[in-house]
Amino acid sequence: GQQLNQSPQSMFIQEGEDVSMNCTSSSIFNTWLWYKQDPGEGPVLLIALYKAGELTSNGRLTAQFGITRKDSFLNISASIPSDVGIYFCAGGKASGTYKYIFGTGTRLKVLA
Amino acid sequence: GAGVSQSPSNKVTEKGKDVELRCDPISGHTALYWYRQSLGQGLEFLIYFQGNSAPDKSGLPSDRFSAERTGGSVSTLTIQRTQQEDSAVYLCASSSWGQGAGETQYFGPGTRLLVL
Repeated sequence: GQQLNQSPQSMFIQEGEDVSMNCTSSSIFNTWLWYKQDPGEGPVLLIALYKAGELTSNGRLTAQFGITRKDSFLNISASIPSDVGIYFCAGGKASGTYKYIFGTGTRLKVLA
Repeated sequence: GAGVSQSPSNKVTEKGKDVELRCDPISGHTALYWYRQSLGQGLEFLIYFQGNSAPDKSGLPSDRFSAERTGGSVSTLTIQRTQQEDSAVYLCASSSWGQGAGETQYFGPGTRLLVL
């Protein structure tokens, strides 16, 4: 199935560092969602973006909806060990049926 | 319950057997999605239900896969004559379409299927 380009694929960082990841697409989306998935669990919604240019924060997390509507980024500030997991972006658009295309995931590992 | 629930949480079956996976969406959510996630991979869209509209089945990988949603609530994903490549985590999500908050999906914990 179709997937968005998400980068980086994986990253090791030191505790306290800031993290940045992004998703890009050749298609325009109406909605961007960012999820975190812990091992053995379903994805948990972190941030939802509904307007081009929108910048939204959730605690130490900040995400932006790109003005071209073809990309989005997620920043995590001052990372902590519990930030470990897989982060997925998802782009959604209403064209007939409302479907989401998911990114390939960024695997984050935080070194204490 | 407050969230999306799925059952069973784990399922081990023999190749060739049929399996049924269940999803209970968040109460009041009109849209329901099924995804498949292979080990270490992203989410692959399978099927989408929205209200009373005909489901979008464009993601189903073969005619061995089918899904239904009864009464606009609970959904069942059925895999017939399972193959080893069907082994994956099957995730269900629901959303409240058209309620002014955009289309935000909430996921269940998934069913981990292993076909021996």
